[in-house]
Amino acid sequence: SQQGEEDPQALSIQEGENATMNCSYKTSINNLQWYRQNSGRGLVHLILIRSNEREKHSGRLRVTLDTSKKSSSLLITASRAADTASYFCARRSNDYKLSFGAGTTVTVRA
Amino acid sequence: NAGVTQTPKFQVLKTGQSMTLQCAQDMNHNSMYWYRQDPGMGLRLIYYSASEGTTDKGEVPNGYNVSRLNKREFSLRLESAAPSQTSVYFCASSDSGNNQPQHFGDGTRLSIL
Repeated sequence: SQQGEEDPQALSIQEGENATMNCSYKTSINNLQWYRQNSGRGLVHLILIRSNEREKHSGRLRVTLDTSKKSSSLLITASRAADTASYFCARRSNDYKLSFGAGTTVTVRA
Repeated sequence: NAGVTQTPKFQVLKTGQSMTLQCAQDMNHNSMYWYRQDPGMGLRLIYYSASEGTTDKGEVPNGYNVSRLNKREFSLRLESAAPSQTSVYFCASSDSGNNQPQHFGDGTRLSIL
């Protein structure tokens, strides 16, 4: 079963706007990771946030984690056409496994 | 630096045929994984190998077998392909430890008629 659920399923924004997507999960985590997948390609790791962290930044990406609500958000600022992709959150429990959600498809219009 | 390489990229099989999907990584990672991705769903773990010489079942192992041939290579075998196994298959690898990202290949697109 999917342990990370992204919301919304799809998002269409204008170039230069910000994109926000959310991820909810059901059980306790060791960390939560965000990945990007371009059409026809494999997943690329974007950012990892540990369970004792609340916010992390990487370039134009900002991730927050609220363990009390079992939720995380990914913000992409000043979006570009190259940000068009699917974005997945993945929950890491205390084993070697990642559990992925169904993803958010982001389309950035020029 | 190739990262994770999967072969073949595309394959069409008939029901009942067998096939092995190959995966190799050049990052000296201990852990390797096989996932399948179906439309509208996230990745589901089929099998994983925490280290050379070990393999364990994931969420959807039925109909599949794996072999960790050495530290670099992790293969996935379909013994008798079924239409329900039509999917995109991804191999990934990572260093040991919880706070390590996974590195993915570009997938094998498998259709079973």
